[in-house]
Amino acid sequence: DAKTTQPPSMDCAEGRAANLPCNHSTISGNEYVYWYRQIHSQGPQYIIHGLKNNETNEMASLIITEDRKSSTLILPHATLRDTAVYYCIVRVAWGGSQGNLIFGKGTKLSVKP
Amino acid sequence: NAGVTQTPKFQVLKTGQSMTLQCAQDMNHEYMSWYRQDPGMGLRLIHYSVGAGITDQGEVPNGYNVSRSTTEDFPLRLLSAAPSQTSVYFCASSYSGTPSSYNEQFFGPGTRLTVL
Repeated sequence: DAKTTQPPSMDCAEGRAANLPCNHSTISGNEYVYWYRQIHSQGPQYIIHGLKNNETNEMASLIITEDRKSSTLILPHATLRDTAVYYCIVRVAWGGSQGNLIFGKGTKLSVKP
Repeated sequence: NAGVTQTPKFQVLKTGQSMTLQCAQDMNHEYMSWYRQDPGMGLRLIHYSVGAGITDQGEVPNGYNVSRSTTEDFPLRLLSAAPSQTSVYFCASSYSGTPSSYNEQFFGPGTRLTVL
């Protein structure tokens, strides 16, 4: 599986957009980019995933560069409740044992009033 | 749906004791897994199962046993607890889906285990 690199921490002002970067320069053509977050020692929560097109859902947007070597998770209007550790994970599409997620240390996002 | 439930929430063991961490899901998910999370670290996969009767090892399986006799339950057994197993344990489940689709994993609230 491709490895990912994320900054260990970031700050964001409440109400502003939070842009969380992730580098995955060794990503393969059949590997997806997934984002999960973990709020204060709770179980991780799925946010969004994508292959090569930009994706948006009710929680966030995912922007993947054309060469797929990096991506950015965007929380458009961060709130205090978005303070969490955000994990960027690269994996092949789902199937049996390929569903296993490999977590790094993630980015600790602190949203400040 | 209750989702993924884990019991107990907290547990203190003495070195050498055994215990079982319980995990159950009511979503009819084929895939279930166990992770451990040490302070300041990401989650590491212990064991996983792609269906009833099928289990396999993850990244850190030593000292742990699992079985999957039903779709709903996936207990994790510590055979002889050691202080190195002090951690937070998370159970997760999802549909297996197809190779072209992704099904999110749902995580339980965790069990906080301390081994003295």
